[in-house]
Amino acid sequence: DSGVTQTPKHLITATGQRVTLRCSPRSGDLSVYWYQQSLDQGLQFLIQYYNGEERAKGNILERFSAQQFPDLHSELNLSSLELGDSALYFCASSARDGYYEQYFGPGTRLTVT
Amino acid sequence: TQLLEQSPQFLSIQEGENLTVYCNSSSVFSSLQWYRQEPGEGPVLLVTVVTGGEVKKLKRLTFQFGDARKDSSLHITAAQPGDTGLYLCCTAGGTSYGKLTFGQGTILTVHP
Repeated sequence: DSGVTQTPKHLITATGQRVTLRCSPRSGDLSVYWYQQSLDQGLQFLIQYYNGEERAKGNILERFSAQQFPDLHSELNLSSLELGDSALYFCASSARDGYYEQYFGPGTRLTVT
Repeated sequence: TQLLEQSPQFLSIQEGENLTVYCNSSSVFSSLQWYRQEPGEGPVLLVTVVTGGEVKKLKRLTFQFGDARKDSSLHITAAQPGDTGLYLCCTAGGTSYGKLTFGQGTILTVHP
């Protein structure tokens, strides 16, 4: 158990819909990172927050957005969903800002039908 | 973006055999991490290597960082079924050390 929690574990929704994925970092960690894992693209970095502020961005689609709240939990919002958005979404955390040793949560499996 | 190539993509072996997984790049790594991911779970950090030529051991796993810091290997001695999983190498780069770039991974299956 990494100490990072993610909800929900599974999510099935239809194209065009909007979903919110939630992440709680390890106790004391200020940085939260979001990743997408698919069979064709592998594990890809989406975005990072540190203590409520956006710090780094990867190839995150404009339809996707994230935020980190004062209690340090984070949410990833995915809108106008397409079939290709079906993937595993992982949240990771670290104590330091932009640190390479990260602790991953169990992931949310999103299926878009 | 630094591209990481892992080989082999798939590895299926019998319990007790030894194996080596490779991670290569055309660019120099600032640091390199190895993660293991089991089905239905998130990646778990195994090791970080930073210095060229560095060797780290974790029980039956030996990690080596190339002298030029462009390649790394993971060697498992006497593999066990519990070693089954996806092995990922990754590196941090660009303007943020938190922005990890992962290789495509090696899927290891160890048969009893």
